[in-house]
Amino acid sequence: DAGVTQSPTHLIKTRGQQVTLRCSPKSGHDTVSWYQQALGQGPQFIFQYYEEEERQRGNFPDRFSGHQFPNYSSELNVNALLLGDSALYLCASSLAGSSEQYFGPGTRLTVT
Amino acid sequence: QQPVQSPQAVILREGEDAVINCSSSKALYSVHWYRQKHGEAPVFLMILLKGGEQKGHEKISASFNEKKQQSSLYLTASQLSYSGTYFCGINRGSGGGADGLTFGKGTHLIIQP
Repeated sequence: DAGVTQSPTHLIKTRGQQVTLRCSPKSGHDTVSWYQQALGQGPQFIFQYYEEEERQRGNFPDRFSGHQFPNYSSELNVNALLLGDSALYLCASSLAGSSEQYFGPGTRLTVT
Repeated sequence: QQPVQSPQAVILREGEDAVINCSSSKALYSVHWYRQKHGEAPVFLMILLKGGEQKGHEKISASFNEKKQQSSLYLTASQLSYSGTYFCGINRGSGGGADGLTFGKGTHLIIQP
């Protein structure tokens, strides 16, 4: 039973560029949440997707956008990258109606 | 609002007990506990639901005090493998479902042999 997978593992981008991160949920899960984790901090909620729609959103600017596909996989897009966007981006999957969320290994984004 | 965790860090000898607290300024409906080791993703430990019972997983258990709006994680007879950063997360919504979570800043636990 495959767990949550994310790609790529690491990414280095230049300020002003755009980036796309990908997530495949745990088998049987239909809900995907994205989090940003800065060094030494707890994960911060970006948004959640269910049935291909954004269901909840945290306090992040519109530069952060996402998408969910019919197979429940998801993408996180960040435009006009800032140095402060450097962080570990975590994807968590869950089953609608269930409280348990399982995290993927994350994508380490470095903006220079 | 971000839940507040205490202590920020704790160092124990193997076999000692630890308590990690998580408190919120808003009414809690559920509290989720995760452990994260350096360079790895957070791992789900357990969830406490409003009106639910104290939960346990091997020598790790947790309680949920709705009146005080807080939860405590208990690690008994700690093992080296318990080292890591412990996060509590609370639901952003009013239910216990899989809403986005708001996490505390974490408690760093170091277990020494």
